[in-house]
Amino acid sequence: GAGVSQSPSNKVTEKGKDVELRCDPISGHTALYWYRQSLGQGLEFLIYFQGNSAPDKSGLPSDRFSAERTGGSVSTLTIQRTQQEDSAVYLCASSLGLGTRAYEQYFGPGTRLTVT
Amino acid sequence: RKEVEQDPGPFNVPEGATVAFNCTYSNSASQSFFWYRQDCRKEPKLLMSVYSSGNEDGRFTAQLNRASQYISLLIRDSKLSDSATYLCVVNIGGYQKVTFGTGTKLQVIP
Repeated sequence: GAGVSQSPSNKVTEKGKDVELRCDPISGHTALYWYRQSLGQGLEFLIYFQGNSAPDKSGLPSDRFSAERTGGSVSTLTIQRTQQEDSAVYLCASSLGLGTRAYEQYFGPGTRLTVT
Repeated sequence: RKEVEQDPGPFNVPEGATVAFNCTYSNSASQSFFWYRQDCRKEPKLLMSVYSSGNEDGRFTAQLNRASQYISLLIRDSKLSDSATYLCVVNIGGYQKVTFGTGTKLQVIP
């Protein structure tokens, strides 16, 4: 079946502009996660959605970052007034959220964001 | 102490060798454990889930030691294609969020 998809695959933007990154999770997965990964670094948790529950936003680095998930499926991560330190690969993952395999996350290919 | 700790490596091993990585975790309530592999400039991919004391999948064996709070990954008969970064992932006790280790880099040499 179809995996997690993300768009765009690459985004180059000027400092100060807003960007929107999109994630389509695997159908039937109730949990959705956003991470970012800077070059040569580990994964940094950003935000987590589970069903209709309030999202866990504890990883968002500043109030310039926000995310929403519409209809329990597609999610959009928005970065306002981008800064050069926002340059990274933004990864989305989804998981079943239920049962014995609840926590097995499947990742999309990522969006490589470059802020100039 | 970090929630999940891994030796960053790199581990440079010849083809055919056996190599083992360890990962320690700090939260004794952790229940689910995973190994992912990440190739250069690619997304992480699930390699193995470890729900009991351990499991085996072909050349790969994962073991869990709850008393000492570590999991290990053993790779037998290493292939060039095994070269990647291996990420240890731990569920934070009963909560959906998981924590990723920073990864151990493996380079298999011809």
